[in-house]
Amino acid sequence: SQQGEEDPQALSIQEGENATMNCSYKTSINNLQWYRQNSGRGLVHLILIRSNEREKHSGRLRVTLDTSKKSSSLLITASRAADTASYFCATDFYRYALNFGKGTSLLVTP
Amino acid sequence: NAGVTQTPKFRVLKTGQSMTLLCAQDMNHEYMYWYRQDPGMGLRLIHYSVGEGTTAKGEVPDGYNVSRLKKQNFLLGLESAAPSQTSVYFCASSYSAGFSAKNIQYFGAGTRLSVL
Repeated sequence: SQQGEEDPQALSIQEGENATMNCSYKTSINNLQWYRQNSGRGLVHLILIRSNEREKHSGRLRVTLDTSKKSSSLLITASRAADTASYFCATDFYRYALNFGKGTSLLVTP
Repeated sequence: NAGVTQTPKFRVLKTGQSMTLLCAQDMNHEYMYWYRQDPGMGLRLIHYSVGEGTTAKGEVPDGYNVSRLKKQNFLLGLESAAPSQTSVYFCASSYSAGFSAKNIQYFGAGTRLSVL
């Protein structure tokens, strides 16, 4: 079963607004990743945060991790129409694999 | 720089037919994975490989077989297709995995399979 669960399932915002999506997971992790999937395409890695980090930035992306609450958030600032996609968190699963959540579908309208 | 290439992109099968999905990566990655993606279910791991000649079961392995005869290729086989195997199949590869490794995965564009 999925280790990570994203919330909300769907999010609709206007260009220029910030988008925040959350991920909760069940067991201890070494790191947590976020991926993006554009419609009809494969997943693309966005950012990785290690279990001993609390916050990480990459361009307009900001990821936080709270291991005590077993949760992470992805913030996309100043959203653009091109950010329309599904976003997945991924945690360690088995020893060599990842466990992906069900994703948050983000729609950014002009 | 192709990355991860999946063939075919689309396929329609009749129940009971067999087929093989091919995944090829040109990044010299040790680790390769097969996932299926169904609406509302996210990605589920079918099988994976930690190196040439090795395979292991994932979360939903039943009805599928895999082989990794060459480091760059990972094949997913359906011996007798069932309608429940209608899905989008993704292959991924990574350079490192295991305890404390980053396991950043690179995905192919997917194969859309319908079983009638």
